[in-house]
Amino acid sequence: DAGVTQSPTHLIKTRGQQVTLRCSPISGHKSVSWYQQVLGQGPQFIFQYYEKEERGRGNFPDRFSARQFPNYSSELNVNALLLGDSALYLCASSLGPAANYGYTFGSGTRLTVV
Amino acid sequence: AQTVTQSQPEMSVQEAETVTLSCTYDTSENNYYLFWYKQPPSRQMILVIRQEAYKQQNATENRFSVNFQKAAKSFSLKISDSQLGDTAMYFCAFMKHAGGAQKLVFGQGTRLTINP
Repeated sequence: DAGVTQSPTHLIKTRGQQVTLRCSPISGHKSVSWYQQVLGQGPQFIFQYYEKEERGRGNFPDRFSARQFPNYSSELNVNALLLGDSALYLCASSLGPAANYGYTFGSGTRLTVV
Repeated sequence: AQTVTQSQPEMSVQEAETVTLSCTYDTSENNYYLFWYKQPPSRQMILVIRQEAYKQQNATENRFSVNFQKAAKSFSLKISDSQLGDTAMYFCAFMKHAGGAQKLVFGQGTRLTINP
């Protein structure tokens, strides 16, 4: 079985641009969460989606949005990019919203804003 | 607010030695879950071990074990017979309920280097 897949692996954007990151969860997993990991820090929670509905949102501005599709894949969108948005964006999936056995993470998308 | 603190930014040991990584956390919840994740240069966060707070027995996964002290809010990771492949960033994480969501709250990480 394929693990959590994220695309693209790397990308470079200019300040003010918009970016879309994609995530496909493990087959059968219905919950997807997004985390931002700035260099040298632990990941920070951005969103959790379950059954196409937003279940929770972290302390991020409205420039960050996400959605989940009927096949449970997900997109994270960031508008009006700032230099501070440069980070590794991690997607994590779980069977349901209660991931007491832990999440399975993808390898992330490295976003660089110049 | 729930916080997770890892007080050791970096550690280095020789291959085959035992190493212990420290983690403390702060929460007012009584039932919760704690995790240790490993992040090698490949960037993927890999689950190493988990602990349920209502279980007094410390979790063990092969060479990895934890020392869970609920009253002290301490959750350290012990790696026995360390191997070169254990070289990675290690993150301690606390599972927090936030409304209808569950989220992981991570510490700052400990960079572990295993030397040959």
